[in-house]
Amino acid sequence: DAGVIQSPRHEVTEMGQEVTLRCKPISGHDYLFWYRQTMMRGLELLIYFNNNVPIDDSGMPEDRFSAKMPNASFSTLKIQPSEPRDSAVYFCASSPRGADSNQPQHFGDGTRLSIL
Amino acid sequence: DQQVKQNSPSLSVQEGRISILNCDYTNSMFDYFLWYKKYPAEGPTFLISISSIKDKNEDGRFTVFLNKSAKHLSLHIVPSQPGDSAVYFCAVTRGDGNDYKLSFGAGTTVTVRA
Repeated sequence: DAGVIQSPRHEVTEMGQEVTLRCKPISGHDYLFWYRQTMMRGLELLIYFNNNVPIDDSGMPEDRFSAKMPNASFSTLKIQPSEPRDSAVYFCASSPRGADSNQPQHFGDGTRLSIL
Repeated sequence: DQQVKQNSPSLSVQEGRISILNCDYTNSMFDYFLWYKKYPAEGPTFLISISSIKDKNEDGRFTVFLNKSAKHLSLHIVPSQPGDSAVYFCAVTRGDGNDYKLSFGAGTTVTVRA
C-alpha cells in the first residue's frame, strides 16, 4: 500500500518567495493533518481537514500560511511570502478516523524547507 | 504551554537491556495516548497506543503503561535491539469525536549500544 506522499522532499528558496508543499493522503482516509517540526517548538499541528473541509486551523502561525484540500487525494500548504523563520520540516499525515487510538495517523516523510 | 512533556531528551541502553521512556501530560481530559517512533529523514511511524480505560497495553517487545492519577505514561522496550535506535515521541489526544488533534512531546532519542 502506498503511504502518505509528500513533495518536494527538500525545498530551498529565498526569502519573499512563495512556497507550495504538496501532500497525497492514503486512499480512503478522511482526515488530513499538516504538522511542522522545529527545534524550538517540536512537532506542532498547523491545520487539519475532515472530508476536504478545514476543521481547525488554530495552529497556523499567521496569514502568510494557507492550506487547501481541493479533493480527497490532494492537499497543499502554501507560504507567501516566505521568511527564514519558516525553515522547518513540514509533515503531512492522514487517518481514517481522526486520532482514534485504533486508527492512528500515518505520516509522510516530510518536506525539509529552508528559507535563505 | 506544554501539554506533553518528555523530560529526558536522550537515553542510551545496552543491547538486550530494557529501555524505559517516560511522558507526562497536564490535561486530565486526554484519553488516548500514543507512541511514535522516528528515524532520521523519515516521518513518525505509529508504535503502540493505550486508551484511558486501560493501564497497560503490550505488543511484542513494547509495553505502554498508563497512570492516570499521576498523568504519566511510559514505554518499555525489552529486549532493546540496535534497530530500536530512533527518536520516540509520545502523543495525546481527547479523541472524543470533537477534537482529533494530537499533541506531541519533544521526543526522546534512544541509542542502543551493541
